[in-house]
Amino acid sequence: AQKVTQAQTEISVVEKEDVTLDCVYETRDTTYYLFWYKQPPSGELVFLIRRNSFDEQNEISGRYSWNFQKSTSSFNFTITASQVVDSAVYFCAPKTGANSKLTFGKGITLSVRP
Amino acid sequence: DSGVTQTPKHLITATGQRVTLRCSPRSGDLSVYWYQQSLDQGLQFLIQYYNGEERAKGNILERFSAQQFPDLHSELNLSSLELGDSALYFCASSPTGAPYNEQFFGPGTRLTVL
Repeated sequence: AQKVTQAQTEISVVEKEDVTLDCVYETRDTTYYLFWYKQPPSGELVFLIRRNSFDEQNEISGRYSWNFQKSTSSFNFTITASQVVDSAVYFCAPKTGANSKLTFGKGITLSVRP
Repeated sequence: DSGVTQTPKHLITATGQRVTLRCSPRSGDLSVYWYQQSLDQGLQFLIQYYNGEERAKGNILERFSAQQFPDLHSELNLSSLELGDSALYFCASSPTGAPYNEQFFGPGTRLTVL
């Protein structure tokens, strides 16, 4: 069985601070894909970034970056120089093996204050 | 704008009624997914279709059914509605339905059952 945990529930930062969102994904599968989605107050779900289990390096995409720590099964997602528009709920959602369904964590509410 | 469209945006109905939610995937995407977001259950996968065929089923109630038509649009039918069915229903699409595909979400249909 697999388990996705977003232990943080709410984070509040001041604009321009860096913020890291944590996700722990426990699985016995060796092939999996982990996605981050953002849900702003308007309600839509926006795809942000994907990490594959077989990726060798952590990834940076604009102000977003990944950091994977295999020993703790942690996939940390960092927003650099946060902006007020980053205020949203952030979901970590893995897919394992041949399974195409996303399994969403409970989400982390990020508030960025001016 | 993800390219996935959903109608209607809002739906208010009474217990015991039946409603149909409609989704058009992004151009070229063959796979459609339905998810339900509620306060108590979070974001849950309901069902996946690929090129007209049911591919995977999640926590979908027997009162709910879906189909994908030859033009690839999909409909989610909810019948004998209960108060607890009030939720935000999302449709997502992906190119092939493979696990590594990102899923792009529509704006959602907010269903309120009174």
